Amino acid sequence: GNSVTQMEGPVTLSEEAFLTINCTYTATGYPSLFWYVQYPGEGLQLLLKATKADDKGSNKGFEATYRKETTSFHLEKGSVQVSDSAVYFCALRENQGGKLIFGQGTELSVKP
Amino acid sequence: GAVVSQHPSRVICKSGTSVKIECRSLDFQATTMFWYRQFPKKSLMLMATSNEGSKATYEQGVEKDKFLINHASLTLSTLTVTSAHPEDSSFYICSAQEGTTSTDTQYFGPGTRLTVL
Repeated sequence: GNSVTQMEGPVTLSEEAFLTINCTYTATGYPSLFWYVQYPGEGLQLLLKATKADDKGSNKGFEATYRKETTSFHLEKGSVQVSDSAVYFCALRENQGGKLIFGQGTELSVKP
Repeated sequence: GAVVSQHPSRVICKSGTSVKIECRSLDFQATTMFWYRQFPKKSLMLMATSNEGSKATYEQGVEKDKFLINHASLTLSTLTVTSAHPEDSSFYICSAQEGTTSTDTQYFGPGTRLTVL
C-alpha cells in the first residue's frame, strides 16, 4: 500500500541554520504531496503542497520539490527561526478516494 | 483560512463510559469530514471518512460499533467512543473539506486529548 517515511526527530538547530527534513514515499499512480506543520497545542496547518512531478511548493521560506524519480519531497528552509519550532508531517494524498497518508512526523526545535 | 474547531479539547473519563467529541466547520460547509487518531510520537491514522447525510466509511481495523460517527449537518460531525477503555486513550483529530474530491483542501481541528482511566 501507499506509505510515507520521514526522518526521525527530534531535530535541534540553532537559529539561522539550514533545515532539511527528508521525506520519501511509496505510491501507485500520481499522488499529491504535502507538508503540514503542528505548532504546540494547535491543529495541523497546511504548510505547502505539490500536485505533480517537478512542482515546487513554497510558503514562509520553506520549500519542497516533488521528485518522482527519487520518490521524495524533502522540506528545506535556508534560515530557521525559533518560531519554526513545531512538528512537521509529510503526507501524500491518493487521487482515488482522496485519503491522506501521513509520515510519522519530525519534531523540530530551534534554539536562540 | 477556514477554521475547524473541536470540543472538548481534553476529556478524562472512566473505563466503560462513552465520550462524544464534536468537530465543527466554523466558516464553511463541510461536505466531507475525516477522523484521525494520533498516538504519542506517531503519525496520524485515518479512522473514518464521513459525508454529510451518509454513513461513515471506516478504515480497515477500526471498529465501527465502538467509534460511532455522525455527520448530520454540513457543519458538524461527532465521534462517540463507546464503552471506552484505557487503550482508547489517544489524541483524536478531525478535518473537514468543502467538497468530496481529492483536490479539495482538508482543514484540521486542534484535536481532542482523551484519557480513559
